[in-house]
Amino acid sequence: GAVVSQHPSWVICKSGTSVKIECRSLDFQATTMFWYRQFPKQSLMLMATSNEGSKATYEQGVEKDKFLINHASLTLSTLTVTSAHPEDSSFYICSARQGGTPRFETQYFGPGTRLLVL
Amino acid sequence: GEDVEQSLFLSVREGDSSVINCTYTDSSSTYLYWYKQEPGAGLQLLTYIFSNMDMKQDQRLTVLLNKKDKHLSLRIADTQTGDSAIYFCAEIFHGSSNTGKLIFGQGTTLQVKP
Repeated sequence: GAVVSQHPSWVICKSGTSVKIECRSLDFQATTMFWYRQFPKQSLMLMATSNEGSKATYEQGVEKDKFLINHASLTLSTLTVTSAHPEDSSFYICSARQGGTPRFETQYFGPGTRLLVL
Repeated sequence: GEDVEQSLFLSVREGDSSVINCTYTDSSSTYLYWYKQEPGAGLQLLTYIFSNMDMKQDQRLTVLLNKKDKHLSLRIADTQTGDSAIYFCAEIFHGSSNTGKLIFGQGTTLQVKP
């Protein structure tokens, strides 16, 4: 099946620093990528949807200036957590959708990035 | 608004069947999905069902859909220790967007005892 990678797989940073997480579709072109956040023992919450070459659409309550998303190519999207604070510590998961039709069975998930802000 | 509910925990013995239940609110959902998440990993799509179907079987997995009650279940036959994971059901919610988005339940932790 299609593969989505994330880098780094985990990161520890000091409060106030910015952290960039990359999401890549390795063997397909992804016109749409999604970023999710998952707290321990909780479900995935969609943060934003990004389409290649256009601005990301953020979910209600997600600060776009805090969580910067760039979808510069059909195989790469980045999430930058700016001025990270301990409450930003979480598991961040990206997914990439193959093809142009809104078929979620062709939405593949990355392995996730665990962020710990000290 | 959209909402997907699941029970949080299920424990079964190896070899037994597991049934994980889910209820959803958006009656216009066209597809409903079951995902598996192993510790520290992303989500793996297990199976999905189109909303005009009542049942779908895929090897050890059986999905039952009661559209009237907005109830979805996943049955795993002959449960193995390797099936221990968190299982999420998800529906598509379109709202005002043509893109749509997946709405996930809270996840059901399946514990399989040897």
